[in-house]
Amino acid sequence: DGGITQSPKYLFRKEGQNVTLSCEQNLNHDAMYWYRQDPGQGLRLIYYSQIVNDFQKGDIAEGYSVSREKKESFPLTVTSAQKNPTAFYLCASGPGQGAEAFFGQGTRLTVV
Amino acid sequence: DQQVKQNSPSLSVQEGRISILNCDYTNSMFDYFLWYKKYPAEGPTFLISISSIKDKNEDGRFTVFLNKSAKHLSLHIVPSQPGDSAVYFCAASSYGGTYKYIFGTGTRLKVLA
Repeated sequence: DGGITQSPKYLFRKEGQNVTLSCEQNLNHDAMYWYRQDPGQGLRLIYYSQIVNDFQKGDIAEGYSVSREKKESFPLTVTSAQKNPTAFYLCASGPGQGAEAFFGQGTRLTVV
Repeated sequence: DQQVKQNSPSLSVQEGRISILNCDYTNSMFDYFLWYKKYPAEGPTFLISISSIKDKNEDGRFTVFLNKSAKHLSLHIVPSQPGDSAVYFCAASSYGGTYKYIFGTGTRLKVLA
């Protein structure tokens, strides 16, 4: 099946710990994206990548890091510097200009 | 600064009637616009899109209208069905070497049977 897989679906983290969210796609898309959804705030862009080994900060990159070592994979690390990490995280991929992005099913991160 | 705005957080419509969801944007460089539908705890699914060179695009019950001079787009759903009840997000993108999508805050549509 072609698509985007995010894992895990639910994740709990203790304060002060880093945690990595996985995102894998087999759609052969060049571009990949990470968004965060909070109640009433829509989807806010954290990081995005147009090609392997290159990525750019989105609107709310502070406290997050990413890597793009393979075309298929774009993991997101939520670091201890992120002051309010509890949220629903969405990964997407797309072929680029003039086309839609496809989303994974999301990971709900809760800091306990 | 919110570049894409959906000013109506919620909308209720009777089954069979038309649903009209609105979206405004501020960046004149946006050249591609999309609508997504989202259920709780799931990823958004793509519905319909429109390029800035068009003013209308239709796909079955869904039609998107673009008014570039007003920087406004709308999604019409006719006829509305109970299964259409979800949160709808509009998104905009521009190509400037780094292609990205900016989303609005969403409108929760409830279709009443």
